[in-house]
Order: sequence, then structure tokens, then C-alpha cells
Amino acid sequence: DIQMTQSPSSVSASVGDRVTITCRASQGISRWLAWYQHKPGKAPKLLIYSASSLHRGVPSRFSGSGSGADFTLTISSLQPEDFATYYCQQSNRSPTFGGGTKVEIK
Amino acid sequence: QVQLVQSGGEVKKPGSSVKVSCKASGGTFNNYSISWVRQAPGQGLEWMGGIIPIFGTPNYAQKFQGRVTISTDETTSTAYMELSSLRSEDTAVYYCARGPPYGSGSHPYSWFDPWGQGTLVTVSS
Repeated sequence: DIQMTQSPSSVSASVGDRVTITCRASQGISRWLAWYQHKPGKAPKLLIYSASSLHRGVPSRFSGSGSGADFTLTISSLQPEDFATYYCQQSNRSPTFGGGTKVEIK
Repeated sequence: QVQLVQSGGEVKKPGSSVKVSCKASGGTFNNYSISWVRQAPGQGLEWMGGIIPIFGTPNYAQKFQGRVTISTDETTSTAYMELSSLRSEDTAVYYCARGPPYGSGSHPYSWFDPWGQGTLVTVSS
């Protein structure tokens, strides 16, 4: 299986901050990477697919970049509703998720 | 817009099986992949397997091979996930989720949207 390593595992930030989350694959996955936002008691929500394509309805403050093995999710100006856990997911082979990054209020 | 509605929570004994359903409404079902993803308490997301209804052949994560069965009923736009030989570590919220349409150029499990509301399966003696 392809292992996905996210960092950091948690980050404390304030409203308005720029937050960057990284995801590294154990082997190259081209651009077969998606990002999700997950809040407790809710279903995960798709944010980004194909590494950098913004899913419909997702605010433009979210952006994704990268290819090969290294990827980044950036929230340009953190909003109160963005406090959640974020997961990356690869699909180059049998899908696997990263361990998650919890974005907490500072 | 398609919605996925899952069956209700279950409490099962170790060694038994559970079958969770996922009914799609408001959109096309047959040519989109359906996956099952679970989240154990305090853990991350874990893909269990998926299926493209028009083909009917499921794909399973190696970890669950031999223990999970994913199927669909195209007449009712419903997907099913059955997990056998349950143990306490299978206590988790189980989600179904739709993937890209077949023929779109994307891998069938390259992203998941929408998701069902989740079904809590508790395995306890």
C-alpha cells in the first residue's frame, strides 16, 4: 500500500491566519490526490481533487498544489468554520488516507 | 443532487456479521463508483473497498480481503457492505461515498463526494 504522511498532526491557529498542511506519499502518485475536511459527527467533505482542482462550492481560500509525492493544502485566511480535521487521500493504487491534521483554535 | 442515505446503527456480538446499506437518491447511480470508508474511535479514515455498479466487480483493500463483501442493487440504487467475523476493533462509523463517473478520465476512487451520513457499528459482547 502507498503510505500517506501528513504534517503537522495538529496546528493551533487564529482566525485570519494562513495555514499550510503537507502530505507526502511513499511513492509517486502523479496528481491523484484529494483533500477532505472532516468535523465531528459529520461526513467528510471534498475540498480539492486532482491535487489542485477546487470542488464546486468550496471557498477560494482553500487551494491545493503539488505532484509526484509532495502535496500541500493551504487555507489562505482561516475562518471560524474551518476548524476541523483535514485528510489527504491518494488513489494511484488502492486508496489510502493520510493520518489527518487537526486545525484547532489558538 | 444525489444524496446517500445509510441504514441505522447496529450493535453486534464478536464473531457475527453486519450488513450496512446505502441508498442513492436524486441522481445517477450505476456508472459512479461507490466506496466504503470507516473511522474507528480516535482514528483516521480507512478505505475498505468499492464497486462500480455497471460492472459489479468489487475492489477490496488488502486488509479486509476475505472479510468484506460489497455489492449493489441497481434496481433500488442501493449499495451494501457486509463485514464478517466482527471483532471489537471493527467498532467504527462506516460511511459510503460516491466517486467519479466511469469514463470521466479519473481513477474510479480518486475522490469521494457526496458521503452518506455514517452508520455506527458497535461490536461488543
